[in-house]
Amino acid sequence: GEDVEQSLFLSVREGDSSVINCTYTDSSSTYLYWYKQEPGAGLQLLTYIFSNMDMKQDQRLTVLLNKKDKHLSLRIADTQTGDSAIYFCAEFISGGYNKLIFGAGTRLAVHP
Amino acid sequence: SQTIHQWPATLVQPVGSPLSLECTVEGTSNPNLYWYRQAAGRGLQLLFYSIGIGQISSEVPQNLSASRPQDRQFILSSKKLLLSDSGFYLCAWSRDGRTAGYTFGSGTRLTVV
Repeated sequence: GEDVEQSLFLSVREGDSSVINCTYTDSSSTYLYWYKQEPGAGLQLLTYIFSNMDMKQDQRLTVLLNKKDKHLSLRIADTQTGDSAIYFCAEFISGGYNKLIFGAGTRLAVHP
Repeated sequence: SQTIHQWPATLVQPVGSPLSLECTVEGTSNPNLYWYRQAAGRGLQLLFYSIGIGQISSEVPQNLSASRPQDRQFILSSKKLLLSDSGFYLCAWSRDGRTAGYTFGSGTRLTVV
């Protein structure tokens, strides 16, 4: 089946690291993504990881993939107030039609 | 460069009225096109996707329909809106959806009253 799950809320102090977790069910997923949505806006692609990788780092962002457990995480180092947003995990489903299945999103609140 | 336009940005419609939301993509040809809905406090639900003109696939049965009259135009419609149709509607396009993922429009906030 196609299902992506995330915790709904995360609150962190400015300067700390944030870790947002996600689990997915389709073991054939080849790509997994993290998107960011600021209030009232569309979704912005932050980063992605291919299923044969277990880690990808891009500046303050680190993505970890545990394919055995179907677990994906996004770590934001030195979290800033501008990082406050909803973060969506998504898995790529290939088949007759390629499509992305999104989780419900994790709302990250950064406080001073 | 490719851009995606979605309008209107906000819409307030009475129950039972029709709906038409439009999405257009520039700078590419034969994109895959998608309509998602984000209900208040909930995640993204895939409503429709299209791999070509006149080719529409529906993910969930509902009060909405989609059409693709031109290569880079995707329209979301309803003949009679329900209160439950309220939400944030997002259009997106992709090439093959892999490394580039999807590019999203800025969304339409629909409130049915």
